[in-house]
Amino acid sequence: GDSVTQMEGPVTLSEEAFLTINCTYTATGYPSLFWYVQYPGEGLQLLLKATKADDKGSNKGFEATYRKETTSFHLEKGSVQVSDSAVYFCAMDSNYQLIWGAGTKLIIKP
Amino acid sequence: DTAVSQTPKYLVTQMGNDKSIKCEQNLGHDTMYWYKQDSKKFLKIMFSYNNKELIINETVPNRFSPKSPDKAHLNLHINSLELGDSAVYFCASSQVPNEQFFGPGTRLTVL
Repeated sequence: GDSVTQMEGPVTLSEEAFLTINCTYTATGYPSLFWYVQYPGEGLQLLLKATKADDKGSNKGFEATYRKETTSFHLEKGSVQVSDSAVYFCAMDSNYQLIWGAGTKLIIKP
Repeated sequence: DTAVSQTPKYLVTQMGNDKSIKCEQNLGHDTMYWYKQDSKKFLKIMFSYNNKELIINETVPNRFSPKSPDKAHLNLHINSLELGDSAVYFCASSQVPNEQFFGPGTRLTVL
């Protein structure tokens, strides 16, 4: 069945480090792909999305490219800040609902 | 002008009690959802309504009953609360069947 797998956390980085959070998916078709972010004590909010192969989503310095050949949608940021500390969720759409990854907690130390 | 709101934000109650969580969205969306998030942040879909009709009903105990009086509201009623029901419950809404907008969550603690 359809599924999303993302790297386990927590991921701990120093400020200004390069970030990659891996996400791969299994799907029968060509789903839209999403990254959501959950800051402490808040609900999830959409960070970026891509709707077809080779699309690149970007927002707040984060980027992710829809790679059909590797069924991946890795999240990257060139220089993280303490304020990026949060839980990041990869998701894809399937049958009118979102299939969610398990979430990756990101901790940025000053 | 909150897009998706939930009440209450915190709910502390005893085992065996019945409680409700309310959700409202002012985005004009047709579809609303309830999710449960456990202590490890794992997100589980519970229910989804489209224009007041139930379209997703995942395997949850029948002590949980959603009610949608209109397409802007989706409430969650929980009977005979158990310790394992302690979690954060999120309401969400969407217009297209993928991009979802989340409420701030309701932290339920069952003692």
